[in-house]
Amino acid sequence: DADVTQTPRNRITKTGKRIMLECSQTKGHDRMYWYRQDPGLGLRLIYYSFDVKDINKGEISDGYSVSRQAQAKFSLSLESAIPNQTALYFCATSASQGGETQYFGPGTRLLVL
Amino acid sequence: QKEVEQNSGPLSVPEGAIASLNCTYSDRGSQSFFWYRQYSGKSPELIMSIYSNGDKEDGRFTAQLNKASQYVSLLIRDSQPSDSATYLCAVKAGGTSYGKLTFGQGTILTVHP
Repeated sequence: DADVTQTPRNRITKTGKRIMLECSQTKGHDRMYWYRQDPGLGLRLIYYSFDVKDINKGEISDGYSVSRQAQAKFSLSLESAIPNQTALYFCATSASQGGETQYFGPGTRLLVL
Repeated sequence: QKEVEQNSGPLSVPEGAIASLNCTYSDRGSQSFFWYRQYSGKSPELIMSIYSNGDKEDGRFTAQLNKASQYVSLLIRDSQPSDSATYLCAVKAGGTSYGKLTFGQGTILTVHP
């Protein structure tokens, strides 16, 4: 089974709709991240969380919100989706102790019409 | 100026050649440096990390770091078609940025038979 899972894997929605992307991990990591990837722009950090009570904005947080429901779960919400939020979204995890490697989920491909 | 910038691609090399991927960063206090590989339609996976000036070798991969010049590179020797992917450079800043990474825009590498 995958250590970092994301649901849904693909989503089509309409402008103005609220949607939630979910991330779960079984790696026991305390740190979790949400990125979006656009062609030619690499990965850009939306939000990150170093534990359940610590949530921080990344470089492109406008239009997004997050919830860390448990150490293993980190959700990303688009309150009112707009077409320029069409992108590939990745969740990642890392451990605060023993290494800095980030492990990525399989990604969610989102299309906002 | 982007915080992390990679050489523009795409880069095409023949099988068996050396592929050279370059990355520069703007934060002189950066501490840790990573190369991720991303196959088309897949999530990024870590292939190399480097923390000290000099070279670090792992099989056919060599990471090179020069903090004075603020660049990090990845050499792939005896390139194989299976190395065809997008390579992402990631940099962890110093200070209180904890595990937060900044990614470059990626370089697409194609190894042709």
